[in-house]
Amino acid sequence: EVVLTQSPATLSLSPGERATLSCRASQSVSSYLAWYQHKPGQAPRLLIYDASNRATGIPARFSGSGSGTDFTLTISSLEPEDFAVYYCQQRDNWPITFGGGTNVEIK
Amino acid sequence: EVQLVESGGGLAQPGGSLRLSCAASGFTFTNYDMHWVRQATGKGLEWVSAIGTAGDTDYLGSVKGRFTISRENAKNSFYLQMNSLRDGDTAVYYCARRNWGSGGGFDIWGQGTMVTVSS
Repeated sequence: EVVLTQSPATLSLSPGERATLSCRASQSVSSYLAWYQHKPGQAPRLLIYDASNRATGIPARFSGSGSGTDFTLTISSLEPEDFAVYYCQQRDNWPITFGGGTNVEIK
Repeated sequence: EVQLVESGGGLAQPGGSLRLSCAASGFTFTNYDMHWVRQATGKGLEWVSAIGTAGDTDYLGSVKGRFTISRENAKNSFYLQMNSLRDGDTAVYYCARRNWGSGGGFDIWGQGTMVTVSS
């Protein structure tokens, strides 16, 4: 199974700052990587699919990049509603796997 | 409104059974693969099972032979029958729609239903 390692585990930032989240795969997943935002008590929300494509309704401050084994989610300027846990997920290999998550918290 | 609503969670003893349901609305249910994803307390998300539009199924290795996924298109619903439950199955279970128009991402999720396995 493909193991996705997310770093850092916790990112402490202030509103308006730039957030850079990393996801590294144990083997190539091509560009078949998605990013989700998850807030406590809510359903996860698809942000990015196929490494760099924003899902419907996702603001332009969210962007994804990478291919192969190294991927990045960037939030250009944090809004108050962006503080949450972020997960990457691959679909290139069975089974579908998720990373352990990065908690973006208010500094 | 496009939505998924889970039900059926609760407390079960080790070795017991539970059946989760997920009701879909606001979209053409028969056009989509549907999935179950779980999250144990303090842990990340874990994919559990899938059912395709043709009824083809797939399972995480640790639940294969114990869990059964099914769908009932006439009711816009799908299910997860969980037998021989173990402590490690304790989690919030989410149902999710897989959308190939969004690169196969899970674009619609339910709010989750809690399953607790404990004696």
